[in-house]
Amino acid sequence: KAGVTQTPRYLIKTRGQQVTLSCSPISGHRSVSWYQQTPGQGLQFLFEYFSETQRNKGNFPGRFSGRQFSNSRSEMNVSTLELGDSALYLCASSLDPRRTEAFFGQGTRLTVV
Amino acid sequence: AQKVTQAQTEISVVEKEDVTLDCVYETRDTTYYLFWYKQPPSGELVFLIRRNSFDEQNEISGRYSWNFQKSTSSFNFTITASQVVDSAVYFCALSGAGSGYGGSQGNLIFGKGTKLSVKP
Repeated sequence: KAGVTQTPRYLIKTRGQQVTLSCSPISGHRSVSWYQQTPGQGLQFLFEYFSETQRNKGNFPGRFSGRQFSNSRSEMNVSTLELGDSALYLCASSLDPRRTEAFFGQGTRLTVV
Repeated sequence: AQKVTQAQTEISVVEKEDVTLDCVYETRDTTYYLFWYKQPPSGELVFLIRRNSFDEQNEISGRYSWNFQKSTSSFNFTITASQVVDSAVYFCALSGAGSGYGGSQGNLIFGKGTKLSVKP
C-alpha cells in the first residue's frame, strides 16, 4: 500500500513568484491536512480538507490556499512568495477527520530566494 | 488557547540508556487526543501513539512507553534501552478538537520537538 506522496520533493523559487505543491493521500483516505515546518515556528497547521471541502484553516495569510479534488488529491498554493515562506511543507492523510491517526508524507522542501 | 510544550530542546544519551521525553499540554476541551510522532532525517512524521483524554492507562509498546497524567497535563514518552536508530526529532501533539467545523480533529497542535541523539 503506497504511502502519502508529495511532489515535488524540493523546490527553489524567487520572491514574488507563486508555487503549487501536490499531495496524493493513501488510497481510500479522504481527509488531507497541510502543515508548514520552519526552524523558528515549528510545525504549524495550514488547512484540512475532506470530500473537497475545507474543514479547518490555520492562522496563515490569504496568500496560502488549497483545494482538494474528487480523487482526494490535494494541492496547496502560495502566491507572492516571501523569504519567510521557505519551509518544509508536510501533507497528512487520514480516512476521515474523525480518525485522528494521520499518516504524513516526506514533505516538499521549498526554498525562496 | 491550546498549547503543547516540550521543554527539552535536545537530549543526548549513550546507547542502552533509558530516556524520557517530556510533554505538557494546555486545552480547555474535555475531549481531546494526544500524539507522539517521530521525525527521522528523511523528513516524514512517523506516528507512534494516540491517546484520548478519557484513557489514562499507561501504554507500553516494545521499548516505548507512555505516561499520561491528566492531573499534571503531561504525556511523557520513555524509550528504554535506547538505540542509535532512535535518533530523531520527537514531537508531541494535541488534537484541535473544538476549534470549529464540528470538532474536526485533523488540526494538530505540535510542540517544538525534542531532538534525541543516541550515541554508540
